[in-house]
Amino acid sequence: DAGVTQSPTHLIKTRGQQVTLRCSPKSGHDTVSWYQQALGQGPQFIFQYYEEEERQRGNFPDRFSGHQFPNYSSELNVNALLLGDSALYLCASSNSAGQGAYFSYEQYFGPGTRLTVT
Amino acid sequence: AQKVTQAQTEISVVEKEDVTLDCVYETRDTTYYLFWYKQPPSGELVFLIRRNSFDEQNEISGRYSWNFQKSTSSFNFTITASQVVDSAVYFCALSEVGLGSGGSNYKLTFGKGTLLTVNP
Repeated sequence: DAGVTQSPTHLIKTRGQQVTLRCSPKSGHDTVSWYQQALGQGPQFIFQYYEEEERQRGNFPDRFSGHQFPNYSSELNVNALLLGDSALYLCASSNSAGQGAYFSYEQYFGPGTRLTVT
Repeated sequence: AQKVTQAQTEISVVEKEDVTLDCVYETRDTTYYLFWYKQPPSGELVFLIRRNSFDEQNEISGRYSWNFQKSTSSFNFTITASQVVDSAVYFCALSEVGLGSGGSNYKLTFGKGTLLTVNP
């Protein structure tokens, strides 16, 4: 049973460039969330995708955008990179099918992509 | 607004000692979930437990136990007879899903984590 996978593992970019990170959810999961984890901090929620739509967004600028594909995999795009965007980017998957309101499934995390902006 | 505080930045113990990691949360919602995750040096967050706000029973799983007290807004985690393999950063997280969030708040709000080092 494959877990959450992310690519690439590491990435080095220059300020002003654009980057795309990829995530494949755990088998049977249909929901993908993205988090940013700065060094020494807890993960910060960027956004969540379900049924190919952005369902909820955290306090991140529009430079951060995403996409979910019909096979539930997802991409995170960051434009006009800043030095402060250097972080570990984590993808998490969960299963929303049949999930009513007032419920929260556990989210399973991938190994992350380490982004360094120089 | 929801908030999670893990006051202990770092804890160092000797193998076989018991250790408790503290977590205090703030929420205006009546329905919420609390989580603990472990992050080893490899970086991948490992799910440990989920507890909803209506279930205050303590839980034990092997050497791990959790104490949930709504009266003090705390959800503490104890490792009994610690082992070197327990060395990691541990995160407490909160998800509000009740009426205050419209039942549709899917994000996890994490604390800053506690670095646990277990020395042989």
